[in-house]
Amino acid sequence: KAGVTQTPRYLIKTRGQQVTLSCSPISGHRSVSWYQQTPGQGLQFLFEYFSETQRNKGNFPGRFSGRQFSNSRSEMNVSTLELGDSALYLCASSKGEWETEAFFGQGTRLTVV
Amino acid sequence: GIQVEQSPPDLILQEGANSTLRCNFSDSVNNLQWFHQNPWGQLINLFYIPSGTKQNGRLSATTVATERYSLLYISSSQTTDSGVYFCARDRGSTLGRLYFGRGTQLTVWP
Repeated sequence: KAGVTQTPRYLIKTRGQQVTLSCSPISGHRSVSWYQQTPGQGLQFLFEYFSETQRNKGNFPGRFSGRQFSNSRSEMNVSTLELGDSALYLCASSKGEWETEAFFGQGTRLTVV
Repeated sequence: GIQVEQSPPDLILQEGANSTLRCNFSDSVNNLQWFHQNPWGQLINLFYIPSGTKQNGRLSATTVATERYSLLYISSSQTTDSGVYFCARDRGSTLGRLYFGRGTQLTVWP
């Protein structure tokens, strides 16, 4: 069965712009989590959605937001981009509820210039 | 706070050598996973192992939950094993958030 799909794979944006990243989880998975990876900070949790509800949010400014649709697909949005937002953004899906094993997508590499 | 400590931070091996990577964690866990990050950035699942021992080919992992550590063994290393290995744990609940260690950078030379 298909894995976690993230689009786009690469993105270059200018400071001040906004960006939307997409994640399609494994079929049947209802939980989607987002992580930011940078060389300095490592892998940091952004937020988690389960059945269209945000269950958990990391320590990121309000410029970072997300949502989940009824088909479990998720999007995250970053507004007013800053140079420091350049990172690899990873999405993970899990069945949720009592089964928490996470499976990751290939990531979206965002470069802000 | 929730801690995940991985050691060593860097490991350099000759092809064919064996290695052990360690992950120490605080508190009980519902989920503990090992990942290998490939050169393109994707986290590849190696093991889901909140307790016990599992083996998959040349790789095996053991988690001793009562002593709060997990070990990843790589036998007969190959150059394709190079990359960063991450250990990640949950909060001990059904929430999906994972806490990651800083990783072990493994380099295998031919």
